[in-house]
Amino acid sequence: DAGITQSPRHKVTETGTPVTLRCHQTENHRYMYWYRQDPGHGLRLIHYSYGVKDTDKGEVSDGYSVSRSKTEDFLLTLESATSSQTSVYFCATSGSHYEQYFGPGTRLTVT
Amino acid sequence: QQQVKQSPQSLIVQKGGISIINCAYENTAFDYFPWYQQFPGKGPALLIAIRPDVSEKKEGRFTISFNKSAKQFSLHIMDSQPGDSATYFCAAISGGSNYKLTFGKGTLLTVNP
Repeated sequence: DAGITQSPRHKVTETGTPVTLRCHQTENHRYMYWYRQDPGHGLRLIHYSYGVKDTDKGEVSDGYSVSRSKTEDFLLTLESATSSQTSVYFCATSGSHYEQYFGPGTRLTVT
Repeated sequence: QQQVKQSPQSLIVQKGGISIINCAYENTAFDYFPWYQQFPGKGPALLIAIRPDVSEKKEGRFTISFNKSAKQFSLHIMDSQPGDSATYFCAAISGGSNYKLTFGKGTLLTVNP
């Protein structure tokens, strides 16, 4: 498995506050992805990166932004958290394009 | 619009039985079909995958069957064990879409001892 870490692993925050989640990989994979997982919805793509400073939107990108200033780090930012963004967030990376490897997840609760 | 439909939502199987999970897709541009296994509190883990030019792939007790004309594929778990109890996701990916995964909604498998 790819060496993928996510931080923090758990976070509780209040509505309206900014939140940044970090994904760090040690595999030098080109592609990185952020997903959210919610009951009844499975995993949905938020944003992805196909290289340093190259990012694009997924299917549920509203309210989220991302940045990738170096290969190993991919940040997901909630500019002003809302209760609908309470979810489990997963980062994934891919070096061989088709095989994606997932991190352990971050459980975010917005009160 | 859900591009990958997965069924059933939940499945209960006795130890030693066969577990079967089905998926159907719509986008003919998909060219890689992985299955992921997820245990509670963990991230999804790649289990097995198939390309559309192959009708079947087997790895140990896990087999993917693929029907390109029907745009359907399925996961078979032979001799199911309690340790197989997890949520299984089918997915599809197109190289032309920057390799973005589209997931089914998942199947919660419970294998009773």
